Amino acid sequence: DAGVIQSPRHEVTEMGQEVTLRCKPISGHDYLFWYRQTMMRGLELLIYFNNNVPIDDSGMPEDRFSAKMPNASFSTLKIQPSEPRDSAVYFCASSFSYGGNQPQHFGDGTRLSIL
Amino acid sequence: DAKTTQPPSMDCAEGRAANLPCNHSTISGNEYVYWYRQIHSQGPQYIIHGLKNNETNEMASLIITEDRKSSTLILPHATLRDTAVYYCIVRADWADKLIFGTGTRLQVFP
Repeated sequence: DAGVIQSPRHEVTEMGQEVTLRCKPISGHDYLFWYRQTMMRGLELLIYFNNNVPIDDSGMPEDRFSAKMPNASFSTLKIQPSEPRDSAVYFCASSFSYGGNQPQHFGDGTRLSIL
Repeated sequence: DAKTTQPPSMDCAEGRAANLPCNHSTISGNEYVYWYRQIHSQGPQYIIHGLKNNETNEMASLIITEDRKSSTLILPHATLRDTAVYYCIVRADWADKLIFGTGTRLQVFP
């Protein structure tokens, strides 16, 4: 089975531009998570969805960030306008059901560089 | 979620067993022990998890002490491709998020 698929793998853009990151979760998984990884802060959860509905967005850094999940097989994370401090690796993960006994499976991430 | 403590780095010879320790002395009864690893430029990869009993899968074995205050991840025959950062995470049964610490950087050498 295919794992979590993210696109693009790399994105370089100028400050102020809109950036859209995409994620396709593992088929049948009903939880989807967006994480961000930086050297300073490590891996941190931004937002997660259950059955396409956002459940907790308390990790979203500010209003410039938004995430949607229009259907069970697709999610986007959008940054508008982008800033250099948004440069990071963004990971999407999915899991079947909820709770401590269900592992999350990660994609290979999008490496974002804002110039 | 309980806090975990791992050594920052370890070395292991190729073909030998790699034993990665993790302390989680404040773990609660409903908290699972998870192990992930992250190979350079890739996403975190799930390895194994357990609650009380020792667990084994095709990748590794997880040994949890009887008091559950520590655990060991065992890679039985380490290869160069096992070089990665290994994260031990304690996660409550009701928890949504995974909280990653700084992990152990395992270097497997020829």
